Amino acid sequence: QKEVEQDPGPLSVPEGAIVSLNCTYSNSAFQYFMWYRQYSRKGPELLMYTYSSGNKEDGRFTAQVDKSSKYISLFIRDSQPSDSATYLCASHTGGFKTIFGAGTRLFVKA
Amino acid sequence: NAGVTQTPKFQVLKTGQSMTLQCAQDMNHNSMYWYRQDPGMGLRLIYYSASEGTTDKGEVPNGYNVSRLNKREFSLRLESAAPSQTSVYFCASSEAAGLYEQYFGPGTRLTVT
Repeated sequence: QKEVEQDPGPLSVPEGAIVSLNCTYSNSAFQYFMWYRQYSRKGPELLMYTYSSGNKEDGRFTAQVDKSSKYISLFIRDSQPSDSATYLCASHTGGFKTIFGAGTRLFVKA
Repeated sequence: NAGVTQTPKFQVLKTGQSMTLQCAQDMNHNSMYWYRQDPGMGLRLIYYSASEGTTDKGEVPNGYNVSRLNKREFSLRLESAAPSQTSVYFCASSEAAGLYEQYFGPGTRLTVT
């Protein structure tokens, strides 16, 4: 079993929809939780970074961590075609070894 | 300010050949990383360098060696390439561990035939 599990999708939504992306993890020692966005044939770029449980909001993006259920979520409001990408969740314990999910491909149709 | 650069962008090798992937960062970061990305597997850490002069194994180090040449440069070497090493390789850097963003390069697409 992978330490971070993520549904690969693809997920297809109409422009303006609210998107919910989810991951589960198994390592109780994970303290740091990240969401990266990766456009086709590009390197990943950090979207959101949270420590421990709770919510974090940045513009149209909200990251949520529930440590009791080991669940990580990313919500995208008013989705745009430019949000079409692969979204990777990731976690680590505070050191250098980040564990990534497999990524969810998102398509936002105009 | 180029960020993280990688060379080459594409490479085709025959089984048993060797090659070195180069990575450089201009952000004065202490830590550097090498990942591979395969369909359905996500990014997996091969090796990392916490600071200049140190290197450590990640999840999938077998078949690879690394060198932290100086603070800017971190290379990945395949001594005897195998088809299982066909992948996209990403280099990344960060200021340190913990709550520090990793910045990724554009990737090297490697095919081993």
